[in-house]
Amino acid sequence: NAGVTQTPKFQVLKTGQSMTLQCAQDMNHEYMSWYRQDPGMGLRLIHYSVGAGITDQGEVPNGYNVSRSTTEDFPLRLLSAAPSQTSVYFCASRTGLSYEQYFGPGTRLTVT
Amino acid sequence: AQSVTQLGSHVSVSEGALVLLRCNYSSSVPPYLFWYVQYPNQGLQLLLKYTSAATLVKGINGFEAEFKKSETSFHLTKPSAHMSDAAEYFCAVSDQGYSTLTFGKGTMLLVSP
Repeated sequence: NAGVTQTPKFQVLKTGQSMTLQCAQDMNHEYMSWYRQDPGMGLRLIHYSVGAGITDQGEVPNGYNVSRSTTEDFPLRLLSAAPSQTSVYFCASRTGLSYEQYFGPGTRLTVT
Repeated sequence: AQSVTQLGSHVSVSEGALVLLRCNYSSSVPPYLFWYVQYPNQGLQLLLKYTSAATLVKGINGFEAEFKKSETSFHLTKPSAHMSDAAEYFCAVSDQGYSTLTFGKGTMLLVSP
C-alpha cells in the first residue's frame, strides 16, 4: 500500500507555463482533495472530489482545474502559472467510512 | 461556514514542560475536529481526531485534546515536552458535508533544552 503519492516533488515554472500535478491513491478512497500551503496561512482547499466524475471548488480555485476520471487519480492542472501560485501543494484522500484524511508528501512549486 | 482560530503562531516551551496549543472553531453543524503535525519539509500526520465519541481524545506521541462544546474549543496538550515535539501543528474542522477540512493557520512549537 503506497497510500497517497504525488509527483513531482519539486517543480520550477516560468510565468505563463502550464503543468499538471499528479496525485494517486491506492486505498480505494472516494474523497480526494487538493490543498495549498503558504507560510502563515495554513492549508487552503483548492478543489475536491467526492467520487469519480464529481468535482467541486474549494476556497481558492482560481487558476486551477481538476478532473476525476478514475477513483485512483486526481490531477491538478495549472493553466497559466503565476508567481502567486508559488506554494506547497498537498493532495489528500479519505474513505466515506472514516473522517481521517490521508495526505501525500507534497509538491513544492516555484513560479518565476 | 466553518473556521478555525489557533492562538499564537509560535509557542515556546522548555523540555519537560507542559505543552498547550489552543484551537477554537466555529461550525454550523456538529463538528469533527482534528490535530495534525508537520515536521520540517514533510507532509501532515494525524495526531488525533474527535468525531463525536468521547470528548477527551488521546492521540499519538502522548498528545491529547479535549472537545468543549460550550467554549467551542479543542486545545491540544502534552504533559511533558520532548525536543522531538518541535514541529508545526494544525487544527482543522470538517466542512458541512464532512468531505473536506478547514485548517487553522498553524502554531509552530519550539522546544528548548
